[in-house]
Amino acid sequence: QKEVEQDPGPLSVPEGAIVSLNCTYSNSAFQYFMWYRQYSRKGPELLMYTYSSGNKEDGRFTAQVDKSSKYISLFIRDSQPSDSATYLCAISDMGRRALTFGSGTRLQVQP
Amino acid sequence: EAQVTQNPRYLITVTGKKLTVTCSQNMNHEYMSWYRQDPGLGLRQIYYSMNVEVTDKGDVPEGYKVSRKEKRNFPLILESPSPNQTSLYFCASRNDVNGEQYFGPGTRLTVT
Repeated sequence: QKEVEQDPGPLSVPEGAIVSLNCTYSNSAFQYFMWYRQYSRKGPELLMYTYSSGNKEDGRFTAQVDKSSKYISLFIRDSQPSDSATYLCAISDMGRRALTFGSGTRLQVQP
Repeated sequence: EAQVTQNPRYLITVTGKKLTVTCSQNMNHEYMSWYRQDPGLGLRQIYYSMNVEVTDKGDVPEGYKVSRKEKRNFPLILESPSPNQTSLYFCASRNDVNGEQYFGPGTRLTVT
């Protein structure tokens, strides 16, 4: 079993839709939870970062963490074609400082 | 501008021919790392360095070497590349205050 599981998609939605992206993880020692966005032929860029259970909002993006279920989500409201990218969840045990990534979900927002 | 740079961006080589991919960051970060990205497997850490002269293995270190002689540079060395090292490689450096990792633009390596 992988430490972090993420549905690879692709996920295709119409412009304006609410998008839900999810990851599950197996190691309860993970404490820090991140979402990265990766455009084609580019390096990942950090979207959201949180270390506690609950919701964190930033503009159209909301990150949700449920440590009891080992489940994290990223919601995108009013999705735009420019949101089309691969979204990677990343989880860290800060003692090691390494990031464990999900395999990424490819999102396509249709105009 | 805060950034991580990698060179070359694209490289095609043959089995067994030693190569080095350079990585440099201008943010004075102590922690740097190398990842490879493969379809369906996501990003996997190869090696990391917590400071100058301090390096350690990540999840997939076999066939790779690194060095950290200066804080800003963290080259990845493939002494004898093999076709299974064909991949997309990313260097990253980490802000030790807020934990954010900054990634380079990637190096696409093909080993024939």
